[in-house]
Amino acid sequence: DAGVTQSPTHLIKTRGQHVTLRCSPISGHKSVSWYQQVLGQGPQFIFQYYEKEERGRGNFPDRFSARQFPNYSSELNVNALLLGDSALYLCASSSGGGYGPLHFGNGTRLTVT
Amino acid sequence: QKEVEQDPGPLSVPEGAIVSLNCTYSNSAFQYFMWYRQYSRKGPELLMYTYSSGNKEDGRFTAQVDKSSKYISLFIRDSQPSDSATYLCAMRAGAGNNRKLIWGLGTSLAVNP
Repeated sequence: DAGVTQSPTHLIKTRGQHVTLRCSPISGHKSVSWYQQVLGQGPQFIFQYYEKEERGRGNFPDRFSARQFPNYSSELNVNALLLGDSALYLCASSSGGGYGPLHFGNGTRLTVT
Repeated sequence: QKEVEQDPGPLSVPEGAIVSLNCTYSNSAFQYFMWYRQYSRKGPELLMYTYSSGNKEDGRFTAQVDKSSKYISLFIRDSQPSDSATYLCAMRAGAGNNRKLIWGLGTSLAVNP
């Protein structure tokens, strides 16, 4: 079975640009969550979507937005990139109404120069 | 005081050793406990998912939860070089969005052949 897939794997952007990250959940999982992970720290929650509705939002600025599509895939968008946005962006899917344990993809490594 | 404390290590052990990884927490409402393994440049991989107190075993891995002491452990028997990774604990009080999932910082483990 395919796990959570994310694209692209690596991305280099310059300050002020916009980026779109994509995620496909495990088949049958209707919930997708996005996390930011900086080296040496645990993942920081950005968003959770379930059945195309936003279920939760973390402490991130409005430059961060996301959406979920009818096939349960998801996009994370970040506008006006800052150097501090450089991180590993992880997508996770879960079953059980979105309350099951998280299953992560391998992330998109974003570097902002 | 952080809600979840995890010694970042690094922890270095010889192949075949029994490894003990631990997290302490302060919120007595936590009921769901998870351990993830993360290899360099990869996403976290779910190892163990437990509810409330007690032990759970899966192959060489055993997870223990002691709610009276607010302490969780992951034991790895017969450790292998392939177990070298960062181990993250995560926990939450109950059903709810993933904003309420609290992560440790991770413990870096090296198993030496």
